Amino acid sequence: GQQVMQIPQYQHVQEGEDFTTYCNSSTTLSNIQWYKQRPGGHPVFLIQLVKSGEVKKQKRLTFQFGEAKKNSSLHITATQTTDVGTYFCAGASNDYKLSFGAGTTVTVRA
Amino acid sequence: DSGVTQTPKHLITATGQRVTLRCSPRSGDLSVYWYQQSLDQGLQFLIHYYNGEERAKGNILERFSAQQFPDLHSELNLSSLELGDSALYFCASSVVVGRGYTFGSGTRLTVV
Repeated sequence: GQQVMQIPQYQHVQEGEDFTTYCNSSTTLSNIQWYKQRPGGHPVFLIQLVKSGEVKKQKRLTFQFGEAKKNSSLHITATQTTDVGTYFCAGASNDYKLSFGAGTTVTVRA
Repeated sequence: DSGVTQTPKHLITATGQRVTLRCSPRSGDLSVYWYQQSLDQGLQFLIHYYNGEERAKGNILERFSAQQFPDLHSELNLSSLELGDSALYFCASSVVVGRGYTFGSGTRLTVV
């Protein structure tokens, strides 16, 4: 079955620095979605990427979908304390079943 | 408030018991998804209902069952509970299958 791998599992970042989390699928995806879960909260939908090579930006967050539609990345610039949480990617297969990665848990050092 | 309502927020019960978790999707959303989140397992897909019909099953145990009612709310039934069933159970809904999900705030189940 479809598997979505996400690395790194943990990311400790100095405030103001940049970081990237990566997502890889064993199969070609119809789309990929990103979610953020704050500590003690629930996952919140951030964005969906559908097209091969698509790049979307949300303020300091840049999301990219690979050319082969099997990988994705989330890059955050100038990390702030508000970026703390776990970022999940979720890949949708052709039958729209969504498989979540294990998440990247981000902590920020002030 | 995400628009997806889950009740109860917390549940403590003994092993061997049965519980029912309830979810009301966001207005207009026909799809309801159930996920289990444990510390070491991430978000595990359990089951998906669309407009009252089961559409997909994930790693859902036989002791677990779910249904979606005509008013689109859904219930997840967990029976013969074991300590390992302790987890956060999330419900999510979406207007279109495969689009972004809106998650509820979850039910934290503790089995003692």
